This record gives sequence, C-alpha cells and structure tokens, in this order.
Amino acid sequence: EAQVTQNPRYLITVTGKKLTVTCSQNMNHEYMSWYRQDPGLGLRQIYYSMNVEVTDKGDVPEGYKVSRKEKRNFPLILESPSPNQTSLYFCASSSPRERPPRDTQYFGPGTRLTVL
Amino acid sequence: AQRVTQPEKLLSVFKGAPVELKCNYSYSGSPELFWYVQYSRQRLQLLLRHISRESIKGFTADLNKGETSFHLKKPFAQEEDSAMYYCALRGLYNQGGKLIFGQGTELSVKP
Repeated sequence: EAQVTQNPRYLITVTGKKLTVTCSQNMNHEYMSWYRQDPGLGLRQIYYSMNVEVTDKGDVPEGYKVSRKEKRNFPLILESPSPNQTSLYFCASSSPRERPPRDTQYFGPGTRLTVL
Repeated sequence: AQRVTQPEKLLSVFKGAPVELKCNYSYSGSPELFWYVQYSRQRLQLLLRHISRESIKGFTADLNKGETSFHLKKPFAQEEDSAMYYCALRGLYNQGGKLIFGQGTELSVKP
C-alpha cells in the first residue's frame, strides 16, 4: 500500500532533550516536506526537500533540522526542543512524475509532540 | 509578502444550501493555488488544483487574479462535506518547493 508513515505518533518530552521524528514514504517520491499544524495558524511548512541531499527552509525552520540521505526517508530533528514546539507535525511527499500532473501532496498521519 | 488568508474560521450551513469558502492570497509572482481537505480522523488530502480546472465532489474553485482570490464553491452542501478546508499556494513553476497554507476553515453542514 502506497503511504507515508511517521514515528512516533505521540511523544511527550522535556525541554532540551534531543528528539527525532522519522518520516518514510514507499512511493519513490522526489519531494518531501515537514509541516506543523497549530490552532488558528493552520499548516506551516518547516523544511522541504526536492531530492536526496537537497533541502531548503520553509516558513518556520528555526529550531529544526532535517536530512535527506535516502530518497524514502526525511527525518525531522529537534536538537533542543522547547515548549513552543509543542504541535502536530505532518510529513508529506509528492512527485513531478505524477500523471496527470496534480502536484498531489500525500500526507502522513501526524505526530503529536508535547514539550514540557 | 507571500500569504494565504482564509477569513472564516468556521462556516456553518444547512444541507442543500450553497457553500463558499473564501481564500485570498498575496504573491508577487505567478501563483498556483490548491484546496486541501481534512475529514475527521483522516489525513489531509488534495481536493483540487486551480490549473486543472476540475470539479471534485461537486466543488469548484476559480482563480481570480484581479481580486487575488480562489474561493471554493459548491451549489448544494452535503453532510459529508463537513471537514476542515485549507487553501494553499506555491509558485507556478516551483513544484516540490515552498508551499504556503491558510489558517483553515471548518465547514459544518447541518441536517
């Protein structure tokens, strides 16, 4: 089944404790992104990647890191989490080879992160 | 500044009534606009894309460059249309790149 998976789905942690949220897609998609969703603010893009070893900042990259060493994986790293990073995080992927071309983003199930 | 604004946080209508979810944008180049939908307990999914000029589940949206708007419309709302709707924007030739979402509008269709 074609899908985007994220782990963990729920995480409660404390300020300053490094964490990684994994994202994996099995559709051979070139493009991957991370978003955070907050009430009243909608979705905001954190980072995106257009291919292996190619990443760029979205709207709210501060406090986050990403890497794209393999096409299928795009982990989100919080080196020193703070309470303002408490949010619902979504990973998404898409492909320029989609036919007909619709630029469809396929979203993961979300990771709910709480930083105390 | 690049921005997408959805002025209504919540829109409540009765079944069979027309629906219009508003989306306004600010973008300096040529934009591409999308509507995404998130049904309860489901993942966010693409509803429609302006460049495709399509109608999905009875919904349509027309890009109005003069008014910088991309409102989502449906002539007769159904209860199953109740969901969270997000308008999104990116550069026309920037597929895979930066994507900007609005704050979202919750549509509630009452029986």
